[in-house]
Amino acid sequence: EAGVAQSPRYKIIEKRQSVAFWCNPISGHATLYWYQQILGQGPKLLIQFQNNGVVDDSQLPKDRFSAERLKGVDSTLKIQPAKLEDSAVYLCASSLDRRERREKLFFGSGTQLSVL
Amino acid sequence: DAKTTQPTSMDCAEGRAANLPCNHSTISGNEYVYWYRQIHSQGPQYIIHGLKNNETNEMASLIITEDRKSSTLILPHATLRDTAVYYCIVRANYGGSQGNLIFGKGTKLSVKP
Repeated sequence: EAGVAQSPRYKIIEKRQSVAFWCNPISGHATLYWYQQILGQGPKLLIQFQNNGVVDDSQLPKDRFSAERLKGVDSTLKIQPAKLEDSAVYLCASSLDRRERREKLFFGSGTQLSVL
Repeated sequence: DAKTTQPTSMDCAEGRAANLPCNHSTISGNEYVYWYRQIHSQGPQYIIHGLKNNETNEMASLIITEDRKSSTLILPHATLRDTAVYYCIVRANYGGSQGNLIFGKGTKLSVKP
């Protein structure tokens, strides 16, 4: 089965520019997550969708980050304007249904963002 | 959420068993222990999870102590491809932001020839 697809794989921008990341989850997965992973740290959850609704965005810096999941399938994460500290790998993950506590998360390979 | 404590790094000889410990002394009775790993330049990969009983699958075995305050992930015959960061995570109760996987820094396992 196809895994979680993310693009682009790498992105280099200057601070104050905007950037967008795209994620296509595994077919049939209702739940989609965006994680931020700073070098040397574990992934940190930014936002979680159940179908096209936001379940948890408590860790999302809403003054500059936004995310949407139109039609409950693909998702886009945007940063505007970017700061130096946003340099990180942005990981997308999906799972069948978060209501099942024993769900497994399937991760994409991530987008590595460098803000100069 | 219950916090976990893992060694920062470990080495293992190729072909030998790798035993990765994890302490989770504040775990609640209905919280699961999950293990994920992250190979360089890839996203995390699910390995195994358990509640009380020991678990085994095609990738690894999970041994949970009777008091559930610690666990050990066992890779029975480590290969070079098992070199990765291994995350031990306690899954919070369902509800709001709880129920999400919270990653720590994990253990960097280096399998050496």
